[in-house]
Amino acid sequence: EVQLVESGGGLVQPGRSLRLSCAASGFTFDDYAMHWVRQAPGKGLEWVSGISWNSGSIGYADSVKGRFTISRDNAKNSLYLQMNSLRAEDTALYYCAKDNGAIFGVVTNFDYWGQGTLVTVSS
Amino acid sequence: DIQMTQSPSSVSASVGDRVTITCRASQGISSWLAWYQQKPGKAPKLLIYAASSLQSGVPSRFSGSGSGTDFTLTISSLQPEDFATYYCQQANSFPWTFGQGTKLEIK
Repeated sequence: EVQLVESGGGLVQPGRSLRLSCAASGFTFDDYAMHWVRQAPGKGLEWVSGISWNSGSIGYADSVKGRFTISRDNAKNSLYLQMNSLRAEDTALYYCAKDNGAIFGVVTNFDYWGQGTLVTVSS
Repeated sequence: DIQMTQSPSSVSASVGDRVTITCRASQGISSWLAWYQQKPGKAPKLLIYAASSLQSGVPSRFSGSGSGTDFTLTISSLQPEDFATYYCQQANSFPWTFGQGTKLEIK
């Protein structure tokens, strides 16, 4: 059974940093690209960032480019999101999502999702 | 970026009804469209990919169609567990974008 478990969320002041983690199990982690998708309270889904199976290809939404950094450790079956210079508009539930393929930047569906970790940016 | 627009934003229906939700892309995306179901407090679940392919384990009352810019999700006979919010997502080109969602409510 595929499982994705996010952690690292919390309340943080504007301008500060936070690092999210996603622990994956139930599938061959290094066979697939992975993503972060967020959902602001009461709002829709927004793709944030993605990374290919070997970290060779990475992408970001314009809203987070230059502030967020995605990474993965295939030896630990883990995905990460380093979030710097946080803003109030980054407040959201952050989901870790598995790609249906290995390569970032080609046809992408999110076939499994974690339960999310809540990030609240407020003073 | 490709904009995805769903209609309606909300719909009320009864158990047993047939319901259709529409998604329109701001430019052609071939058949690279997915549909997700999200229940309150839960993560989204992939229902359909490549416009009409049913994800493993999804009931056959769900179906998808369309290509280019216009797509539909149809639920042939609503069940109580189908009341949720549905999102479309274009899978054609980076950055991946979602529709604003359609909330399916019980009449």
